[in-house]
Amino acid sequence: NADVMQNPRHLVRRRGQEARLRCSPMKGHSHVYWYRQLPEEGLKFMVYLQKENIIDESGMPKERFSAEFPKEGPSILRIQQVVRGDSAAYFCASSRSGLETQYFGPGTRLLVL
Amino acid sequence: GQQLNQSPQSMFIQEGEDVSMNCTSSSIFNTWLWYKQDPGEGPVLLIALYKAGELTSNGRLTAQFGTTRKDSFLNISASIPSDVGIYFCAGQKDSNYQLIWGAGTKLIIKP
Repeated sequence: NADVMQNPRHLVRRRGQEARLRCSPMKGHSHVYWYRQLPEEGLKFMVYLQKENIIDESGMPKERFSAEFPKEGPSILRIQQVVRGDSAAYFCASSRSGLETQYFGPGTRLLVL
Repeated sequence: GQQLNQSPQSMFIQEGEDVSMNCTSSSIFNTWLWYKQDPGEGPVLLIALYKAGELTSNGRLTAQFGTTRKDSFLNISASIPSDVGIYFCAGQKDSNYQLIWGAGTKLIIKP
């Protein structure tokens, strides 16, 4: 999993601030997925992106959350005006194609004070 | 959202014991995956199953894809301390990239 990179590993924000989470997929992978994990729970799908395209954002809250995967650079999950309920671990996964095995990064633990 | 029913929620076992856990669903999945997550880390894929009835091993781990396609099982033989962690099942439906996850089984090994 070391090949899927996420940063930062830990992020602390105060309510109302913006959180920006980055994910660099495995080499050769052009499909990126974001998941959220609350304590003692499994992962919940948020969004699926390919380069420059959002394929499925059905798991993402309608407000304050956005994701992008530009032609160059990492995928970004952006949370605006964070609230305490946004505190969670956010995982990125990548795959070679949409139906191939997803490999996960180490996650970003977001804490909103 | 839909989740898989994973049990048991936690297990306290002695080193050397065998471990069994399972996942069930009310709907059919075409792929079953088993992941292990260590504290502070992301899930690591252990075993992937693609056919109903398939039995696949990875070292001391063996997983089976249920014949009804609505369940899967993971067995760990002769557990060792590094087996400690949370094990997750995940299902994937045909032509759908979304992984549906169980809530996890926490494995704790008594010294």
